Amino acid sequence: QSALTQPPSASGSPGQSVTVSCTGTSSDIGHYNYVSWYQQHPGKAPKLMIYEVTKRPSGVPDRFSGSKSGSTASLTVSGLQFEDEADYYCTSYIGNQNYVFGSGTQVTVL
Amino acid sequence: QVQLQETGPGLVKPSETLSLTCTVSGGSISNNIYYWGWIRRPPGKGLEWIGSIYYTGSTYYNLSLRSRVTIFVDTSNNQFSLTVNSVTAADMAVYYCARVTVTNRSFDFWGRGTLVTVSS
Repeated sequence: QSALTQPPSASGSPGQSVTVSCTGTSSDIGHYNYVSWYQQHPGKAPKLMIYEVTKRPSGVPDRFSGSKSGSTASLTVSGLQFEDEADYYCTSYIGNQNYVFGSGTQVTVL
Repeated sequence: QVQLQETGPGLVKPSETLSLTCTVSGGSISNNIYYWGWIRRPPGKGLEWIGSIYYTGSTYYNLSLRSRVTIFVDTSNNQFSLTVNSVTAADMAVYYCARVTVTNRSFDFWGRGTLVTVSS
């Protein structure tokens, strides 16, 4: 199972929006509605930001939103803040309790 | 709130075995709505799912690592562990343990991670 494809980097100015894509196949993202997104600041543990494609855990700002079309999932951060600067990873369930992560995207707030 | 903490040697020699333990506090590892997973992040690379275990001992492994990886659970001590045999420089990474929720298949709580260096 190959890693899901994410752009290496994305950026935006404070207050703007940035969208990170996550491209898979009909065997992962295209087959299951179990896509989640994680934020990781340097030296910190990853934090769950989105699960089941569109749902936010308690405490995650509604500036973070998720979507999916076919075999591509997306994470959008609206109203960018400096604290949003981090690495973002997508992951998809692929059946039989197996998972595949994305290659990661470094989001920079200009 | 549940907390997870990874412990184990930070340095392993090439060809030897890497062993890590994750201790779960604030919740029971035997709760039947969770699996428990290991994930790693090599330097300069992305996250990689290594495998997961259920409290019953059922295990699920990344196919690319299956031949060298074992995960086992110790419910009496609320811990689960990872071993990786015949390590090489490619196994050097920050290793994380995490809780996986069965209902939504997300990794909702993570340990802080532990760096494992492979060097003679």
